Amino acid sequence: DARVTQTPRHKVTEMGQEVTMRCQPILGHNTVFWYRQTMMQGLELLAYFRNRAPLDDSGMPKDRFSAEMPDATLATLKIQPSEPRDSAVYFCASGLGRTGGHGYTFGSGTRLTVV
Amino acid sequence: AQSVTQLGSHVSVSEGALVLLRCNYSSSVPPYLFWYVQYPNQGLQLLLKYTTGATLVKGINGFEAEFKKSETSFHLTKPSAHMSDAAEYFCAVSSNTDKLIFGTGTRLQVFP
Repeated sequence: DARVTQTPRHKVTEMGQEVTMRCQPILGHNTVFWYRQTMMQGLELLAYFRNRAPLDDSGMPKDRFSAEMPDATLATLKIQPSEPRDSAVYFCASGLGRTGGHGYTFGSGTRLTVV
Repeated sequence: AQSVTQLGSHVSVSEGALVLLRCNYSSSVPPYLFWYVQYPNQGLQLLLKYTTGATLVKGINGFEAEFKKSETSFHLTKPSAHMSDAAEYFCAVSSNTDKLIFGTGTRLQVFP
């Protein structure tokens, strides 16, 4: 089965350090989402891309978070500097076209702990 | 703006009993509706989706959901619960804006 691959699966870092999370979408998928999951806030949409162009990043704290797609096979989410409140599971999802036709496939997530 | 409300953060059923997880949505345009399941330490897996056409949608693992426009609901059901159904279930809504907006989730426990 085709799958969305996220690395690393787990990351523990100290406050103030830079964190980079990577996502390899399913080959051929042109839409990529980044979500953050916490107990308090549930699943929050941070940003998404279509054909590598950012469409919406309104859910992302701009001062410390950045999301990019250097190429069609890689999406990155960076936090600099990281803070304890960033501790969460970060999910990447990819799909083809609009959700109405296909839904999206999620990766297994990156569990981030900032101490 | 679109939103989803899942009634009941926890639902407990006995093995073999009916599963009913509730979802109500708000959308100013015709919605696309989804149910996802999340097992511990895993990502979300699509159970089923409604786009257009038949309002009763069948998904994987014996689950189904019915789109009721008049009630703005998309409840998830399964006639007979299995122990392996224990997980967290998320209802989500989208439209032509592409954003997939999730509810807060319902944790299903299944007792023997």
